[in-house]
Amino acid sequence: QVRLQESGPGLVKPSETLSLTCTVSGGTIRSYYWSWIRQPPGKGLEWIGDIYYSGSTNYDPSLKRRVTMSVDTSMNQFSLKLSSVTAADTAVYYCARVGQGATTPFDYWGQGTLVTVSS
Amino acid sequence: DIQLTQSPSSLSASVGDRVTITCRASQSINSYLNWYQQKPGKAPNLLIYAASSLQSGVPSRFSGRGSGTDFTLTISSLQPEDFATYFCQQTYRTPRTFGQGTKLEIK
Repeated sequence: QVRLQESGPGLVKPSETLSLTCTVSGGTIRSYYWSWIRQPPGKGLEWIGDIYYSGSTNYDPSLKRRVTMSVDTSMNQFSLKLSSVTAADTAVYYCARVGQGATTPFDYWGQGTLVTVSS
Repeated sequence: DIQLTQSPSSLSASVGDRVTITCRASQSINSYLNWYQQKPGKAPNLLIYAASSLQSGVPSRFSGRGSGTDFTLTISSLQPEDFATYFCQQTYRTPRTFGQGTKLEIK
């Protein structure tokens, strides 16, 4: 059974960089796309971007200027950095697996981690 | 970006009812439409992919239909565990977008 687990600070100060890591267990990180998705409190789901196991990325245009994703296949992990955060970036952040093929759905999700932006 | 509009935004129903949720895309997305269920404090769970394919382990009372711009998710006979929020999502083109959600509540 594939499992994903997000980790990282739960509190980030305004203007600083949010950093999260997703660890994949029970399966390989190879041959799949991996995504970050967030959900502000009480609101809907927002896709942040994808990274392929090879390292190629695709970001949401509205966040592209502030987002960096990376992958470490040796550790079966991928990561998110979001710079210059504001209160609007407060959300539950999920990592998820895209099935084999860019047009496939998010078939496995992490449990999510709440990141609060506050001084 | 492809916009997805769900209707209704909220719905009250009783156990045993048949309910249908609609998702309309701002342009044709063929059959690249997925449905997720989310319960409070939990991650979304994939129910239906490619418009009408049932994800493994999902009860057969869930079904999906549609192609192009108009899609539906139907629950044939509501069970107590089905009261949750449902989201549609398209994978036709990036950015991957979600509908705003439909909250299904107990009447």
